[in-house]
Amino acid sequence: DAGVTQSPTHLIKTRGQQVTLRCSPISGHKSVSWYQQVLGQGPQFIFQYYEKEERGRGNFPDRFSARQFPNYSSELNVNALLLGDSALYLCASSLRGGEDTQYFGPGTRLLVL
Amino acid sequence: AQSVTQLDSQVPVFEEAPVELRCNYSSSVSVYLFWYVQYPNQGLQLLLKYLSGSTLVKGINGFEAEFNKSQTSFHLRKPSVHISDTAEYFCAVSVAGAGSYQLTFGKGTKLSVIP
Repeated sequence: DAGVTQSPTHLIKTRGQQVTLRCSPISGHKSVSWYQQVLGQGPQFIFQYYEKEERGRGNFPDRFSARQFPNYSSELNVNALLLGDSALYLCASSLRGGEDTQYFGPGTRLLVL
Repeated sequence: AQSVTQLDSQVPVFEEAPVELRCNYSSSVSVYLFWYVQYPNQGLQLLLKYLSGSTLVKGINGFEAEFNKSQTSFHLRKPSVHISDTAEYFCAVSVAGAGSYQLTFGKGTKLSVIP
């Protein structure tokens, strides 16, 4: 079975631009979570979605938004990019959320210049 | 809110020697505990997790961890490391029974295995 897939793998943007990152969960998984990993730090929770509903939101500004589609894939949008948004963005999927194991994708590396 | 402290940012160890990576957590409620490994330029892979039951948890690649509630610790151990274990290791917690299954991660420990 295919694991969690994310696209694109790398992205370069300039300050003020907008970006959309995409995630496809493992087949059968209905929950998707997004994390931001800044260089040298552990991942930080951004959002969790389950059955297309937002289940949790981390301490990120409103410039960050996400959604989950009927096929359970997900998009993360970041508006008005700042230099500090440069990071590895990780998507994780699980069967239902809760204590189900989260499986991580390889991430999208975003560089904001 | 919960937090995770990984006490060592870098741990060098010789091949075939034992290793312990330390993790302490802080939470006012019951938690689930996890160790993930991240190889260079890759995502995170689950090594092991503690939800309930036996405090000694065995994971993949010969790793194990022990949950110590009184010391709020969840240290990761391996009796004999290999070159291929060189990676960054993250300890994480989540609140037990919560609706949102968000993971709170530590800052990571870089394990370097020396031939």
